[in-house]
Amino acid sequence: DAGVIQSPRHEVTEMGQEVTLRCKPISGHNSLFWYRQTMMRGLELLIYFNNNVPIDDSGMPEDRFSAKMPNASFSTLKIQPSEPRDSAVYFCASGWEGYNEQFFGPGTRLTVL
Amino acid sequence: KNQVEQSPQSLIILEGKNCTLQCNYTVSPFSNLRWYKQDTGRGPVSLTIMTFSENTKSNGRYTATLDADTKQSSLHITASQLSDSASYICVVSPGDSSYKLIFGSGTRLLVRP
Repeated sequence: DAGVIQSPRHEVTEMGQEVTLRCKPISGHNSLFWYRQTMMRGLELLIYFNNNVPIDDSGMPEDRFSAKMPNASFSTLKIQPSEPRDSAVYFCASGWEGYNEQFFGPGTRLTVL
Repeated sequence: KNQVEQSPQSLIILEGKNCTLQCNYTVSPFSNLRWYKQDTGRGPVSLTIMTFSENTKSNGRYTATLDADTKQSSLHITASQLSDSASYICVVSPGDSSYKLIFGSGTRLLVRP
């Protein structure tokens, strides 16, 4: 049974470029989370979807960040334009609402030069 | 303010030895507490989940304890192996939100041969 799948695993881009991170949650899960992890701030929740609907996007740092979940098996996190301070590891996690367990993907390491 | 604090920040032990990691939290109300293991370059993986009514839970060589009165938890690793080298993150789920997790900054454990 495949876990959460994220792509790309590594992304290096230049400041000002658009970056799109992708996530395929575990089949059957109805909750999806995007997190950002940095040494300084640890793991931070960016946005939470339930049944493909954004429920809480209070963690999205600014308008340069956007996330979509067009269907139950796919989500994207887009940064436009990217800045060096966006460099971090971005994790996608999925789970069942009410069960409280979240299964994390392998992450995308983003470097913005 | 809801916070989760972990100690020590880092720890080096010899293979075969035991160790205990500490977690103190101020989250209230409290739903459950989890310990995650995060290998370098990977996403966090859940080791244990405990509700406020549980005092201890084991997962192989990992044993977590919880004292909900003093708001303290510990993770004990028995007979450490090289593969235990990782970051261990204490995570608390507030009682008023089933999805919003409060993450500790983690303890980085290095097991040496």
